[in-house]
Amino acid sequence: EPEVTQTPSHQVTQMGQEVILRCVPISNHLYFYWYRQILGQKVEFLVSFYNNEISEKSEIFDDQFSVERPDGSNFTLKIRSTKLEDSAMYFCASAGTGLLPYEQYFGPGTRLTVT
Amino acid sequence: AQSVTQPDIHITVSEGASLELRCNYSYGATPYLFWYVQSPGQGLQLLLKYFSGDTLVQGIKGFEAEFKRSQSSFNLRKPSVHWSDAAEYFCAVVPSNTGKLIFGQGTTLQVKP
Repeated sequence: EPEVTQTPSHQVTQMGQEVILRCVPISNHLYFYWYRQILGQKVEFLVSFYNNEISEKSEIFDDQFSVERPDGSNFTLKIRSTKLEDSAMYFCASAGTGLLPYEQYFGPGTRLTVT
Repeated sequence: AQSVTQPDIHITVSEGASLELRCNYSYGATPYLFWYVQSPGQGLQLLLKYFSGDTLVQGIKGFEAEFKRSQSSFNLRKPSVHWSDAAEYFCAVVPSNTGKLIFGQGTTLQVKP
C-alpha cells in the first residue's frame, strides 16, 4: 500500500538555524500539506500546496516558513531561522487524484526539537 | 470561525465494552468530516469520512460514525473495543476547498484488560 514518508524522524537544531523537513507524498497525489502538533496541543494546519503553488496558509506560516516541491517526488518545509516555539511534530500529508483533495494521508511525522 | 470540539480529553473503557467518542463542529454549511487515529509514535491514520449521503458511515477496524446535522455532531462508535484500539483519536473538518483540515483537541483512549 502506498504511503507518505518523512525524513528525518527526529531533528534537533539550535535556535536560529535553518532546517529542512522532507516528505515524499504518495506518487499520484496532487495536493500536499504540512501540519504541526506542539506537544499536548491539537494538530494545526500550516500550508496547502497544489499545482506548484501555495493554495492556502495559516497565520502560523509566516515569512520564516517556505515550501517547495523541487522535483516530482519530494515536498519540503523549510524553516529559515528556528525559534524555540517551533519545537513540534511536523506532519506531511497528501491527497487527491481527482476532484476531491480531502482524503488526506499522513506521514509518520518529524519531531523537531529546537534548543 | 470554524471549530471542532472533542469534549472528552481522556476516556478509559474495558476491553470488550462499547465505545463512543464525541465530536461537535461549528460550521455554516455541511462540512466534510473525518476521524483519524494516532498510535504512539505513529502518524495519523484515516478511520472514516463523511462527505454526503448515508449519515452512518463505516470505517476501518470496525469503527463507525454517525453524522447528525441537527446536533452538529459526528460521533465515533465501536461495539466492542480491543486492547489495540488504545490510541489518540482526532475528529476533523474540512471547511474550504483547499482541503485544509481543522482538528479537534483529540481524545486519548485507554483500554483496560
